[in-house]
Amino acid sequence: EVQLVESGGGLVQPGGSLRLSCAASGFTFSTYWMTWVRQAPGKGLEWVTNINQHGTDKHYVDSVKGRFTVSRDNAKNSVYLQMNSLRAGDTAVYFCVRDTRHDYSDPDYYDSWGQGTLVTVSS
Amino acid sequence: DIQMTQSPSAMSASVGDRVTITCRASQGISNYLAWFQQKPGKVPKRLIYAASSLQSGVPSRFSGSGSGTEFTLTISSLQPEDFATYYCLQLKSYPVTFGGGTKVEIK
Repeated sequence: EVQLVESGGGLVQPGGSLRLSCAASGFTFSTYWMTWVRQAPGKGLEWVTNINQHGTDKHYVDSVKGRFTVSRDNAKNSVYLQMNSLRAGDTAVYFCVRDTRHDYSDPDYYDSWGQGTLVTVSS
Repeated sequence: DIQMTQSPSAMSASVGDRVTITCRASQGISNYLAWFQQKPGKVPKRLIYAASSLQSGVPSRFSGSGSGTEFTLTISSLQPEDFATYYCLQLKSYPVTFGGGTKVEIK
């Protein structure tokens, strides 16, 4: 069974930093892209970033470019999101999501999500 | 960026109704589209991938159609457990974008 468990959320002041972690199990982690999606309280879903299997290809939504960095450690079956210069608008539940293995003709992209970790940016 | 416009943003329906939700892409995305269901306080659940392929374990009353810029999610006979918010997602190009969501409420 695929499991994704996020951790590292919490309350942080504007301008502060936080590092989220996502521990994966139940599948061959090193063969999948991984994604972070966030959801502000009472709002819709927003794609944040993804990273390829080797950590060499990354993409970000414009609103977090230069502030957030995604990384992974295949030996630890984990993906991370380093969040710097946090703003009130970054307040959200952050979900770790299993992405694709090759491309979006594969059937298993976005089929497994973690429970999410809440990040609150407030003074 | 590709904008995904969902309509309606909210709707009221009764058990047994046929429900159709539309997602329009600002440019062609072929069939790189998925649909998700999210209940309050829960994790999104994928219903449809590749625009029209049904996720394993999802009831057959759910179906997806479309290609290019116009897509629909149809629930053939709404059940009590289907009251939720539904999102479309395009994966044709970065940044990946979700539609704004459609909240389906009980009439």
